[in-house]
Amino acid sequence: KNEVEQSPQNLTAQEGEFITINCSYSVGISALHWLQQHPGGGIVSLFMLSSGKKKHGRLIATINIQEKHSSLHITASHPRDSAVYICAVRSEETSGSRLTFGEGTQLTVNP
Amino acid sequence: GAGVSQSPRYKVAKRGQDVALRCDPISGHVSLFWYQQALGQGPEFLTYFQNEAQLDKSGLPSDRFFAERPEGSVSTLKIQRTQQEDSAVYLCASSRGGAYGYTFGSGTRLTVV
Repeated sequence: KNEVEQSPQNLTAQEGEFITINCSYSVGISALHWLQQHPGGGIVSLFMLSSGKKKHGRLIATINIQEKHSSLHITASHPRDSAVYICAVRSEETSGSRLTFGEGTQLTVNP
Repeated sequence: GAGVSQSPRYKVAKRGQDVALRCDPISGHVSLFWYQQALGQGPEFLTYFQNEAQLDKSGLPSDRFFAERPEGSVSTLKIQRTQQEDSAVYLCASSRGGAYGYTFGSGTRLTVV
């Protein structure tokens, strides 16, 4: 079992729909990151969370430390949101501040 | 610089060839990480530097992989005698360290033929 699991693996939505991507992890963490990766490899950091909820534009990220679960929501989705969304955790158990990544969720938003 | 710069963006190597991948982190970022991302997978940790010190190399898959950061800024990931299973995107990330976030480079896509 991976330390970080995401669902769904693939998600197709129509423009304007509300999107939810889920992340569950099995280790104690000091922080959780949501990242966006476009074709070509570049990764953009969206959020870093250790508790509660953060909002940036149409993106909302929440985390429940007790349940070891986080969600990324996209409101009013748009085709330009199409990308791979990756959840990554900074574990309390590993040295330094390296990240352990989920396998990503491929989101496609159709016009 | 404004971001993390990696070069080359794409590299095709013949099996058995040695390759060197470069990462230019953000100036002043003490932490530098290398990750390997196979097609359709999430990135996997390779190695971590704090300044010039390589504090964790537990993710390097074999002794063909070697990384250095001699002056605490630019880092090079070297792969000797490349194999087909080394084909992946190699990502570099840097951070101020501690509770700060990370900035990722665009990656180097290595294809071994």
